[in-house]
Amino acid sequence: DTGVSQDPRHKITKRGQNVTFRCDPISEHNRLYWYRQTLGQGPEFLTYFQNEAQLEKSRLLSDRFSAERPKGSFSTLEIQRTEQGDSAMYLCASSPSGGTVAKNIQYFGAGTRLSVL
Amino acid sequence: AQTVTQSQPEMSVQEAETVTLSCTYDTSENNYYLFWYKQPPSRQMILVIRQEAYKQQNATENRFSVNFQKAAKSFSLKISDSQLGDTAMYFCAFMTSRGEYGNKLVFGAGTILRVKS
Repeated sequence: DTGVSQDPRHKITKRGQNVTFRCDPISEHNRLYWYRQTLGQGPEFLTYFQNEAQLEKSRLLSDRFSAERPKGSFSTLEIQRTEQGDSAMYLCASSPSGGTVAKNIQYFGAGTRLSVL
Repeated sequence: AQTVTQSQPEMSVQEAETVTLSCTYDTSENNYYLFWYKQPPSRQMILVIRQEAYKQQNATENRFSVNFQKAAKSFSLKISDSQLGDTAMYFCAFMTSRGEYGNKLVFGAGTILRVKS
């Protein structure tokens, strides 16, 4: 297993464009999380999935943001009409469902760095 | 709402010396988990150590140990025999343990640790 994979690693876009990021979790993990990290800050929770069900969304996730996990495997995060304030690192994490302790450990991908010009 | 505070934006330590990173948190929950994550420059975040709040014994992982003071809501990380590879941003994080489903991590702002040769 190669861990959590995110694509692309870097994305530069112009304000007003739409962007989509992909996350492939560790294969046996059924929980998947999205976080946003701005420069010099800790990651902030955006949303998470249990299999294909989106169970919680942060108020940070405005109407321009949407996340999907259609078959309970990979997930996509789309930002419509990007703004300069969307520039950040978008991190994906996954965790297993089995066991009390194991399910609370999140494994992170390397992130997608978004720059909105 | 839970909050995590890391009061040291930057720390430095000589190779082979010991350093302690501070973390305090605020919660009304009684059962929860605490984590330290390491984020090397341009690399993905990895788990260093975790502590279950119901355990009185402090967690230890090789050169890394914690000092968990539940009443004071304090969770510091001690790194012994510091190595150059320990240079990274360190994040303290909190997670509640209620419910069957996965839970979000709440992160502090991070401490940049530089190990000097």
